Amino acid sequence: QKEVEQNSGPLSVPEGAIASLNCTYSDRVSQSFFWYRQYSGKSPELIMSIYSNGDKEDGRFTAQLNKASQYVSLLIRDSQPSDSATYLCAVMSGTASKLTFGTGTRLQVTL
Amino acid sequence: GAVVSQHPSRVICKSGTSVKIECRSLDFQATTMFWYRQFPKKSLMLMATSNEGSKATYEQGVEKDKFLINHASLTLSTLTVTSAHPEDSSFYICSATGGAYGYTFGSGTRLTVV
Repeated sequence: QKEVEQNSGPLSVPEGAIASLNCTYSDRVSQSFFWYRQYSGKSPELIMSIYSNGDKEDGRFTAQLNKASQYVSLLIRDSQPSDSATYLCAVMSGTASKLTFGTGTRLQVTL
Repeated sequence: GAVVSQHPSRVICKSGTSVKIECRSLDFQATTMFWYRQFPKKSLMLMATSNEGSKATYEQGVEKDKFLINHASLTLSTLTVTSAHPEDSSFYICSATGGAYGYTFGSGTRLTVV
């Protein structure tokens, strides 16, 4: 069974700090990786996608992928209270077009 | 960017009735649509995958006769929850993919069965 694991949190960081969110996956042939942000009662919105080993930066967000370790992470720099949400890691494997989601990590950015 | 419209956003129905949820891709042709359900503080669980003009593929444990999915066109998919019961109360979310747009989620439907 393909699994995507995340620490459920909550992860609490002070405003302005770096938030580090982690995700591991079990299917070695996974090729595409996504981070979604979900506010309570809302649907997920895409933050980042990453396909190759290494770092990918977009504004305050950096996704990191290590396929050998089956590990993907999301760094949020200069965290803001508006970043408080649940962050979902999603993985797409092989030629299948469906995503497998982790359970999400709840991030709380405190003033 | 790609937009997926999902209606209704909230619905309350009586036990035993059926509810239809619509998912429309507004500015792209969705070759594949996905239906998820999400319980409070849980992750998204894929219910089924539908491709335009063909029968939906349901995930293990999802009753296809209870959750009817129709994907009659490249821009519209519907999910009908038949003979709804309180345990069907959940947040239902559709997602569409097509071309270069990746995955786009609808805004979700909060179903409450009383």
